Amino acid sequence: QSALTQPASVSGSPGQSITISCTGTSSDIGYYDYVSWYQQHPGKAPKLMIYDVSKRPSGVSYRFSGSKSGNTASLTISGLQAEDEADYSCCSYAGYSTYVFGTGTNVTVL
Amino acid sequence: EVQLLESGGGLVQPGGSLRLSCAASGFTFNTYAMNWVRQAPGRGLEWVSTLSGSGGSTYYADSVKGRFTISRDNSKDTLYLQMNSLRAEDTGLYYCAKIRQLGSFDYWGQGTLVTVSS
Repeated sequence: QSALTQPASVSGSPGQSITISCTGTSSDIGYYDYVSWYQQHPGKAPKLMIYDVSKRPSGVSYRFSGSKSGNTASLTISGLQAEDEADYSCCSYAGYSTYVFGTGTNVTVL
Repeated sequence: EVQLLESGGGLVQPGGSLRLSCAASGFTFNTYAMNWVRQAPGRGLEWVSTLSGSGGSTYYADSVKGRFTISRDNSKDTLYLQMNSLRAEDTGLYYCAKIRQLGSFDYWGQGTLVTVSS
């Protein structure tokens, strides 16, 4: 149950697009289409942004999109806005009702 | 509106015990698996445990297996985490999270802080 690997930080200017990667193994991301992404502002609870690799919950901006290729999942934020500055974590189902989270990425809007 | 309210955190010495609670409202509690997820200071999220809606199936991260016990009282819409043999590395903010369906967590509480230190 090793944590999924994410870059520690990603930054971009307002209006730009950024992509956060999340690398796992053939036993989690590579095997199941159950990757989710969470946004967390300082001192706040995580918020579900993407589930089942690429689906957006009701109320989440269309600027957030997800994808997967092999053992790596990605979250793309398009039209970056100041309010997007937060920590982002990926999560994958790992079988037998267990889950593994990513190491977390801090997004900075320049 | 779905609400999850954790309680029971605090300061405990290594080897000690704590029992966390999570009071749920706004959804049919007994039809959803519930989870505990923790976050050590300055670290990422870590899945701790999952309990099925009926309470009949439990799952644990290797790091807590044999020390933590997850349970629920569906008559009180409350989730619990009994933590024994606590270690310094168990220090962190413990979140209660509702499962959306298999694979993701759609509602989270604000967390309760557990500090294991002498």
